Amino acid sequence: EAQVTQNPRYLITVTGKKLTVTCSQNMNHEYMSWYRQDPGLGLRQIYYSMNVEVTDKGDVPEGYKVSRKEKRNFPLILESPSPNQTSLYFCASSLLGESASYEQYFGPGTRLTVT
Amino acid sequence: AQSVAQPEDQVNVAEGNPLTVKCTYSVSGNPYLFWYVQYPNRGLQFLLKYITGDNLVKGSYGFEAEFNKSQTSFHLKKPSALVSDSALYFCAVRDISSSNAGNMLTFGGGTRLMVKP
Repeated sequence: EAQVTQNPRYLITVTGKKLTVTCSQNMNHEYMSWYRQDPGLGLRQIYYSMNVEVTDKGDVPEGYKVSRKEKRNFPLILESPSPNQTSLYFCASSLLGESASYEQYFGPGTRLTVT
Repeated sequence: AQSVAQPEDQVNVAEGNPLTVKCTYSVSGNPYLFWYVQYPNRGLQFLLKYITGDNLVKGSYGFEAEFNKSQTSFHLKKPSALVSDSALYFCAVRDISSSNAGNMLTFGGGTRLMVKP
């Protein structure tokens, strides 16, 4: 089954304790992206990756890091989480290229609470 | 730059009645347009898209959307709402002429659809 998986689904942590949210896709998509969803703000892009070892900032990158060492994986790293990073996080992937229609496939989400 | 507006935070409709969820967009070139649905505790699911061709696009679960270039709108519609349609709906746009492939889609703020029995 074609899918994007995220782990963990729920996480409660304390300020300053480093954490990683994993994301994996099995569709051989070049493009992967992380979003955060906050009430009234819709989805805001944190980071994206066009391919292995190619990453760039989205609209709200502060406080986050990513890596793309393998095509299927795109982990989101919070080196020192703060309460304002409490949010619902989504990973997404998509094909690139001339035949691509830019439809994105989303993971189930990770609800993060930082106290 | 590309942007999307969903002017209604919430839409209430009775079961069996037609529903419309509004979306307007702004792009400098031509748009790709998408609708996604989010059920509670779930990720976003693709509903339908407009790339080119017929302005009326049909998608999953009986939903359809009409692309109106002159009004820069892409409203989501369904002839007869079901209680199970209650969810959060997101419109998204991509400017075809955009050179920034990284900012692939811009999403609206979302509209909560409540269908009452």
